[in-house]
Amino acid sequence: AQSVTQLGSHVSVSEGALVLLRCNYSSSVPPYLFWYVQYPNQGLQLLLKYTSAATLVKGINGFEAEFKKSETSFHLTKPSAHMSDAAEYFCAVTSSGGYQKVTFGTGTKLQVIP
Amino acid sequence: NAGVTQTPKFQVLKTGQSMTLQCAQDMNHNSMYWYRQDPGMGLRLIYYSASEGTTDKGEVPNGYNVSRLNKREFSLRLESAAPSQTSVYFCASRPGGLNTEAFFGQGTRLTVV
Repeated sequence: AQSVTQLGSHVSVSEGALVLLRCNYSSSVPPYLFWYVQYPNQGLQLLLKYTSAATLVKGINGFEAEFKKSETSFHLTKPSAHMSDAAEYFCAVTSSGGYQKVTFGTGTKLQVIP
Repeated sequence: NAGVTQTPKFQVLKTGQSMTLQCAQDMNHNSMYWYRQDPGMGLRLIYYSASEGTTDKGEVPNGYNVSRLNKREFSLRLESAAPSQTSVYFCASRPGGLNTEAFFGQGTRLTVV
């Protein structure tokens, strides 16, 4: 079975500070990992995805994530937070064991303080 | 560039009423999904359809039925709505490959009173 765990349901950072949102995965086979963002009253949209081509993945809006197999992690980072980054962020996983299913974490709401 | 279209956007039902949530995608994707989103619980998979003609249960299928009408359309039916089904419902589609991302509709906010 595949799953992801997001630590911290709410994260607050100051504008200009580093953003770090944590995601750990559990999968018996190599996973494919995704980060999505959800702005208020909207659907989810893709930020970035890991597909085994490179462990450091760059996404939209200056976000990036690093796949660390030894730590079973795929944390999302951004060097400098902007007010427009305030949203909810979801980590998700698919794997060959259940590849038609996309399993989401419980989400992390990011608050950016001016 | 419609993507994934859900109707309706908002709905209020009385306990015991039935309704169907509609979803259509114009990207020729094979797989389609229905999720519900509740505070603190993330997105939970209700049903999915790996390809036209197939449907499978997800984590929380009780109280719901689905129909994959054709490749474009995947509907979700509540036969007898209950207050516990108050939620925001999202439809999504994917091409179906391992490394492909899901594309989401704008959601349906359902309240059962």
